[in-house]
Amino acid sequence: AQKITQTQPGMFVQEKEAVTLDCTYDTSDPSYGLFWYKQPSSGEMIFLIYQGSYDQQNATEGRYSLNFQKARKSANLVISASQLGDSAMYFCAMRETGNQFYFGTGTSLTVIP
Amino acid sequence: NAGVTQTPKFQVLKTGQSMTLQCAQDMNHEYMSWYRQDPGMGLRLIHYSVGAGITDQGEVPNGYNVSRSTTEDFPLRLLSAAPSQTSVYFCASGQNYPAAQSGNTIYFGEGSWLTVV
Repeated sequence: AQKITQTQPGMFVQEKEAVTLDCTYDTSDPSYGLFWYKQPSSGEMIFLIYQGSYDQQNATEGRYSLNFQKARKSANLVISASQLGDSAMYFCAMRETGNQFYFGTGTSLTVIP
Repeated sequence: NAGVTQTPKFQVLKTGQSMTLQCAQDMNHEYMSWYRQDPGMGLRLIHYSVGAGITDQGEVPNGYNVSRSTTEDFPLRLLSAAPSQTSVYFCASGQNYPAAQSGNTIYFGEGSWLTVV
């Protein structure tokens, strides 16, 4: 079974609008961490935001927030006020006990002017 | 401010050739890993290491070897390249926190584009 599932291969959003990128995960470990990364066309992987499984509040980092619904095992990334520079691939990842990160297949986001 | 350095950035190999992708980090990270990225597949873990002299297999280890003789370096060896190994390879490193609750991310190199013909 896939540890991380991203069901949206591609998404479009109008500039200045908000967009939600979906991520669901599968684990039986009560302690885990969830991460989002951005990969622009240049190829580098940029860390965006982290949510721990015991965190009571949703994580926020500037225009990024993580909508964490533990019972549903979802960790959706919300980008507010989209900018043209947000066009990129976005990967959801999970870390269980240990250092191994499991990645989803990614969502390609295109911001339309 | 080097971080994680991968070489080469681009490489074309013939089927059956061998080569080594180099990875070096200057952050004194204990944990290092190699991923491959293929369209529609995301990033898949090949091998990882939690310290010098310690390596382990990830999801897709076949056809690849690794070693970790120093903290800084974690080379990935392709012993006999196959077209199925055409991919983008990422090296990543991080602090070795066994507890998943650590918010420490792993840091990626810029990637190595490998084509096997």
